[in-house]
Amino acid sequence: GDSVTQMEGPVTLSEEAFLTINCTYTATGYPSLFWYVQYPGEGLQLLLKATKADDKGSNKGFEATYRKETTSFHLEKGSVQVSDSAVYFCALMGVFSGGYNKLIFGAGTRLAVHP
Amino acid sequence: EPEVTQTPSHQVTQMGQEVILRCVPISNHLYFYWYRQILGQKVEFLVSFYNNEISEKSEIFDDQFSVERPDGSNFTLKIRSTKLEDSAMYFCASSPTPNYGYTFGSGTRLTVV
Repeated sequence: GDSVTQMEGPVTLSEEAFLTINCTYTATGYPSLFWYVQYPGEGLQLLLKATKADDKGSNKGFEATYRKETTSFHLEKGSVQVSDSAVYFCALMGVFSGGYNKLIFGAGTRLAVHP
Repeated sequence: EPEVTQTPSHQVTQMGQEVILRCVPISNHLYFYWYRQILGQKVEFLVSFYNNEISEKSEIFDDQFSVERPDGSNFTLKIRSTKLEDSAMYFCASSPTPNYGYTFGSGTRLTVV
């Protein structure tokens, strides 16, 4: 079935470092891809999305490009801040039986940014 | 910005008791979902709901679970007889169309003792 694989955390970085969190997926058809962020004690917030191959989603300095050839959607940020410390979830939305969609999440990657 | 509201934020219940988790989706959204996240684990799909009926459910969503939209604004998840392994964060979400990103609520942390 459809699935999402993320790099294991935690990822620990110093402020202003470059961030990459790897995400690959397995899906039939052409799913939409998402990154969600969960700050400590809070719910899931949509960070960015891409709905077709070669689309780049971006928000708050984060970006990810939908790469169909490598089935990847890696999250990047050029200069992280302490406030970016959170758990990041990669997710795909495919079409399932009956035509209804659902999100399938990766396991999440915890990012800790130190001053 | 419109929000999905979940209540309560934290509920502690005894094993075997019934619990009802409440959600108020965004008002013009038509598709509703429940997900759960056991501490430190993956966010898992439970059920999707559209047009007053379940459109899909996972194997987790057994006979102990039910969902309802009782009054056109609330969307509830009932667990009939809670087990220790039901302890998790439960997230409600809604979307205007099936292919749009979901808006999640901030979750209800359920602790079964």
